[in-house]
Amino acid sequence: KAGVTQTPRYLIKTRGQQVTLSCSPISGHRSVSWYQQTPGQGLQFLFEYFSETQRNKGNFPGRFSGRQFSNSRSEMNVSTLELGDSALYLCASSLGGEGANYGYTFGSGTRLTVV
Amino acid sequence: GNSVTQMEGPVTLSEEAFLTINCTYTATGYPSLFWYVQYPGEGLQLLLKATKADDKGSNKGFEATYRKETTSFHLEKGSVQVSDSAVYFCALRKAAGNKLTFGGGTRVLVKP
Repeated sequence: KAGVTQTPRYLIKTRGQQVTLSCSPISGHRSVSWYQQTPGQGLQFLFEYFSETQRNKGNFPGRFSGRQFSNSRSEMNVSTLELGDSALYLCASSLGGEGANYGYTFGSGTRLTVV
Repeated sequence: GNSVTQMEGPVTLSEEAFLTINCTYTATGYPSLFWYVQYPGEGLQLLLKATKADDKGSNKGFEATYRKETTSFHLEKGSVQVSDSAVYFCALRKAAGNKLTFGGGTRVLVKP
């Protein structure tokens, strides 16, 4: 079956602009999580959506937002981009459900460069 | 809060050498523990997992045992190959939530 698909793979934006990243989870997976990976901070949790509702949120400013559609596809948006937002953004999908011992499947990520 | 600490790299080994990457965690309750691997230019791949104390996860020659008494989940492989060169991440997930907390990653370089 198809894996987790993230688009675009690479993106270059200018400070102050906004950007939207997309993630299509594995068919049947209802949970989508987003992570930011940078050399300095490592992997940090942004937020998680399950059945179109944000279920968990990390410690990121309000410029970072997301949503999930009825087909479980998710988008994340970053407004007023800063140089420090340059990172690899990873999406992970899972079946979902509290407390279940399931694994996460990650996409290949979107490499965002802010200039 | 929850945290994961793993040994800093890079770890440089010769082919067929023994690999150990130390991982310790801090968390309340009984988290699930994971090892992920990231190859250059790619996302994370689940390598193995363990969901309760004394569980041993294994995959592709890698093993890790969930040690509740020492709050550790060290990754081992008896004979590494050049293709094992990658960054390895230890992570935990609390039973009551879905967020993964990652360690800082350990870069492993295997030379022929």
